[in-house]
Amino acid sequence: AQSVTQLDSQVPVFEEAPVELRCNYSSSVSVYLFWYVQYPNQGLQLLLKYLSGSTLVKGINGFEAEFNKSQTSFHLRKPSVHISDTAEYFCAVCGTSYGKLTFGQGTILTVHP
Amino acid sequence: DAGVTQSPTHLIKTRGQQVTLRCSPKSGHDTVSWYQQALGQGPQFIFQYYEEEERQRGNFPDRFSGHQFPNYSSELNVNALLLGDSALYLCASRDGPSGTGELFFGEGSRLTVL
Repeated sequence: AQSVTQLDSQVPVFEEAPVELRCNYSSSVSVYLFWYVQYPNQGLQLLLKYLSGSTLVKGINGFEAEFNKSQTSFHLRKPSVHISDTAEYFCAVCGTSYGKLTFGQGTILTVHP
Repeated sequence: DAGVTQSPTHLIKTRGQQVTLRCSPKSGHDTVSWYQQALGQGPQFIFQYYEEEERQRGNFPDRFSGHQFPNYSSELNVNALLLGDSALYLCASRDGPSGTGELFFGEGSRLTVL
């Protein structure tokens, strides 16, 4: 079984500031890792994913994440945020042999002007 | 290219009733999953269908059932509705059942149980 903990339920930040959304996971098997974004009244959109290889993963909209196996973390970062990045962000994991995603509780990112 | 489409977008039911939600996967996708997202929570996996069979199931009671049709579209049925079933129900599709394929989500069906 897997579990995901997103360490911050809400993150307020000013426009053009850097941001880090933290995600820790627990699993007894190898996993794939994902970050999704959800805008109000919409479904989820994939930001980035880690399947294997380089531990630094780049995604859409200038986001990146780093997989740290020893710390079982997959933190999401962006060096300079925009108002349009205001949304809820979900970290998720799935086992490498099947496709069920286990999501964290979400982090609401609010970017202030 | 249409993405994942779900219907209806909103619906209101009363306790004890039954509901059917529908999903058409993204073109080229053969695997459909359903997730329940309660207010303020992350999505929770209900089940996954591949080749018209339920392949994986989350921790949901038998009141939740589904079906996949030969054209890969899917239905989610919930019987004997409870107030706690109020949620956004998300359908997602991918090419194949493994976790390597990108999962595309629809915009969801918001169910309110009164």
